[in-house]
Amino acid sequence: QVQLVQSGAEVKKPGASVKVSCKASGYTFTGYYLHWVRQAPGQGLDWMGRISPNTGDTNYAQKFQGRVSMTRDTAISTAYMELSRLRSDDTAVYYCARNKYYADRSTDAFDIWGQGTMVTVSS
Amino acid sequence: DIQMTQSPSSLSASVGDRVTFTCRASQSISSYLNWYQQKPGKAPKLLIYGATSLQSGVPSRFSGSGSGTDFTLTITSLQPEDFTTYYCQQSYSTPWTFGQGTKVEIK
Repeated sequence: QVQLVQSGAEVKKPGASVKVSCKASGYTFTGYYLHWVRQAPGQGLDWMGRISPNTGDTNYAQKFQGRVSMTRDTAISTAYMELSRLRSDDTAVYYCARNKYYADRSTDAFDIWGQGTMVTVSS
Repeated sequence: DIQMTQSPSSLSASVGDRVTFTCRASQSISSYLNWYQQKPGKAPKLLIYGATSLQSGVPSRFSGSGSGTDFTLTITSLQPEDFTTYYCQQSYSTPWTFGQGTKVEIK
């Protein structure tokens, strides 16, 4: 079945970097944009950016520019999100989500989500 | 960035009730509005895309309406599994932004 499976929980110290993976299966990896969304404990959803698995093109939210890098490995149908210079307020669950284009409404939405990866930043 | 504002932030209702909550965009987003349901400890689940279209497999008690800046999500006949949090999200322009959520609680 169509699914996104993310890597496991991470604990990092302030100033370090974290790299989270998102492995796709059950569909053509290069056919859909992948986005990254994070959720701090008890908070709402925060869009971080997206990557085209086909071309590698990326768009990042301004607040993460310079600290985030999204890459992919098409050979293993896996996308990665690396966040550097971690701070305590980066503690959150990080999700990858597939962007599906709905032709009947000419619109996009996140139809498949990974299970989430908890990243804890603590000294 | 387009700001999305949901109201109320929480509401109390009973099983079988009809509930409606709203999402307002800071500028017109046409019908580029999606609704998600999120249960505790789980990833969000797509309910409605394009403001009004029901995602495959989602029960018909969920419906969406609106265009421009004002949107609503309606749940007719609340079921026990519907007591959770709902988010709206715009896909009109990047950064794609979410509302802060509406939590539906048991009265």
